[in-house]
Amino acid sequence: GENVEQHPSTLSVQEGDSAVIKCTYSDSASNYFPWYKQELGKGPQLIIDIRSNVGEKKDQRIAVTLNKTAKHFSLHITETQPEDSAVYFCAASPWGGATNKLIFGTGTLLAVQP
Amino acid sequence: ETGVTQTPRHLVMGMTNKKSLKCEQHLGHNAMYWYKQSAKKPLELMFVYNFKEQTENNSVPSRFSPECPNSSHLFLHLHTLQPEDSALYLCASSQVLPTVSYEQYFGPGTRLTVT
Repeated sequence: GENVEQHPSTLSVQEGDSAVIKCTYSDSASNYFPWYKQELGKGPQLIIDIRSNVGEKKDQRIAVTLNKTAKHFSLHITETQPEDSAVYFCAASPWGGATNKLIFGTGTLLAVQP
Repeated sequence: ETGVTQTPRHLVMGMTNKKSLKCEQHLGHNAMYWYKQSAKKPLELMFVYNFKEQTENNSVPSRFSPECPNSSHLFLHLHTLQPEDSALYLCASSQVLPTVSYEQYFGPGTRLTVT
């Protein structure tokens, strides 16, 4: 079935460094790719998303890139801060159009060391 | 109250108990979802409701029974659960149009422990 692979499962960086998390999806019909941040004791919060008609999207220190040919998409966080420490999930919407079904990756625990 | 709220936040129940989880969204959305989040596993979609109609049941055991009385409220009724059902149960909502779906907003979750 459809699945989303996410790497790495854990990532530790020094404050101020960049962090990159990568995901691969299996269904070429996927056309919507959100990223969620989950802090301890809270539900996932959408931080950025991208649709298949766009190759890159940026919002301040966060950017997402999409390679439809390779079925890869990545989250880039620059100038990391301790408050960026959390679990990050990628997701893909495999059917496009009217679907409201998301397939999630397994998550990446990001630790930003001060 | 804003966003998506869930009650209770924590629940401990025995295998023979019956309990219900409640979710309410204050965003004017027309679709609501139940997810199960277990350690080291992806979020698992359990149920989807569009316009109060169940449109997805992801092979969930019958000991989990959803109810959506209106587009703002969603319940998950639990009975005779197993210890492996212990997890964080997340509710989400979104707006869905005939050809476009939008981002899902999550509640804080209910941490369920089955003893």
